[in-house]
Amino acid sequence: ELKVEQNPLFLSMQEGKNYTIYCNYSTTSDRLYWYRQDPGKSLESLFVLLSNGAVKQEGRLMASLDTKARLSTLHITAAVHDLSATYFCAVDMNFGNEKLTFGTGTRLTIIP
Amino acid sequence: GAVVSQHPSRVICKSGTSVKIECRSLDFQATTMFWYRQFPKKSLMLMATSNEGSKATYEQGVEKDKFLINHASLTLSTLTVTSAHPEDSSFYICSANRGQDQETQYFGPGTRLLVL
Repeated sequence: ELKVEQNPLFLSMQEGKNYTIYCNYSTTSDRLYWYRQDPGKSLESLFVLLSNGAVKQEGRLMASLDTKARLSTLHITAAVHDLSATYFCAVDMNFGNEKLTFGTGTRLTIIP
Repeated sequence: GAVVSQHPSRVICKSGTSVKIECRSLDFQATTMFWYRQFPKKSLMLMATSNEGSKATYEQGVEKDKFLINHASLTLSTLTVTSAHPEDSSFYICSANRGQDQETQYFGPGTRLLVL
């Protein structure tokens, strides 16, 4: 059974600081997704990582994937309040059939 | 980008009644749709895979007779919660794979169900 764990579960950080959210998964996969969820809302797609060593950046967020270590990171640079949300990673369980196993989620709060 | 809609966005019903939730892909055809549920402050759990023109595939532990899924067309999947009970109260989210763009799964806005 595929397990996807995120660390930390909760994160409060000051504006302007940098931090990294980690996503570990238990079995082989080469397709990992990052999503953002605001309270009471559905999921917003942030990144799709499709190969070992993949790195993608959008604004203050950067995601990377190490398939050998079964690890993905979401790095936040110079955080701003608008980034406060819950962030989920998700792993494709079966090589492209799109069945996703979601991580536990990281609730990020940016403090002014 | 691709858009997936859900209806209704919120529903309150009495115990024992059935509730139907619709998931539509608005600007693309989806041969496969997925249904998730999310409890408050928890992650998403995949319930089932909805396949156009065939039976849905349910995840382990999900009662297929309770959560009826119909994928009658390439743009519509429905989830019916039958004989709803308070423990069925949850946030239900559908997603769709456009097929051509295998990279991204598009999520609907979700339906919040409260069973009294």
